[in-house]
Amino acid sequence: AQSVTQLGSHVSVSEGALVLLRCNYSSSVPPYLFWYVQYPNQGLQLLLKYTTGATLVKGINGFEAEFKKSETSFHLTKPSAHMSDAAEYFCAVSDQGNNRLAFGKGNQVVVIP
Amino acid sequence: DAGVIQSPRHEVTEMGQEVTLRCKPISGHNSLFWYRQTMMRGLELLIYFNNNVPIDDSGMPEDRFSAKMPNASFSTLKIQPSEPRDSAVYFCASSPVRGGYTFGSGTRLTVV
Repeated sequence: AQSVTQLGSHVSVSEGALVLLRCNYSSSVPPYLFWYVQYPNQGLQLLLKYTTGATLVKGINGFEAEFKKSETSFHLTKPSAHMSDAAEYFCAVSDQGNNRLAFGKGNQVVVIP
Repeated sequence: DAGVIQSPRHEVTEMGQEVTLRCKPISGHNSLFWYRQTMMRGLELLIYFNNNVPIDDSGMPEDRFSAKMPNASFSTLKIQPSEPRDSAVYFCASSPVRGGYTFGSGTRLTVV
């Protein structure tokens, strides 16, 4: 079964600084990988996904993530944090054979002015 | 496309009452998922359907919970009788054959 590890439930970052959220997964077969963002009182919104092909994927709002098979990682980055990036971020993985997602516990990002 | 539509957005009910949450998935998506989100447990998958058929309901906490998908455009999650510990935000999501879910805005359930 797939699983996802996101360390550090709360992440503080200064406005303009690099945002780095780490995600490691376990999967017995090549995975599909996703990052979702959840703003207060809203549902989860897809930020970006990796299925096949280029391992560096770009998403909405300036975020990107790189799939590293050797490290079983899919870390999310944004070069310069904006106040509007304050939200909760979830990493998720599914096997290519099905579309059931396993979610990490999430990172609550706080942006400090 | 209107996205995944959930109703109601908020529900406050008394302990012991029946609660029904509704979901309309995106047309053409063949999978539908019900999740529960709480501060303590995070996101929990309750049940999911493929082509209207329940595939895995191992996340349904108790027999008080039941879910149906009578057709491709509608699903319900029912709690009977409801208890205060059922208070949470319940999300519905739908997905095409491959790749990412689209989530609804959720139903915030409060059982008093």
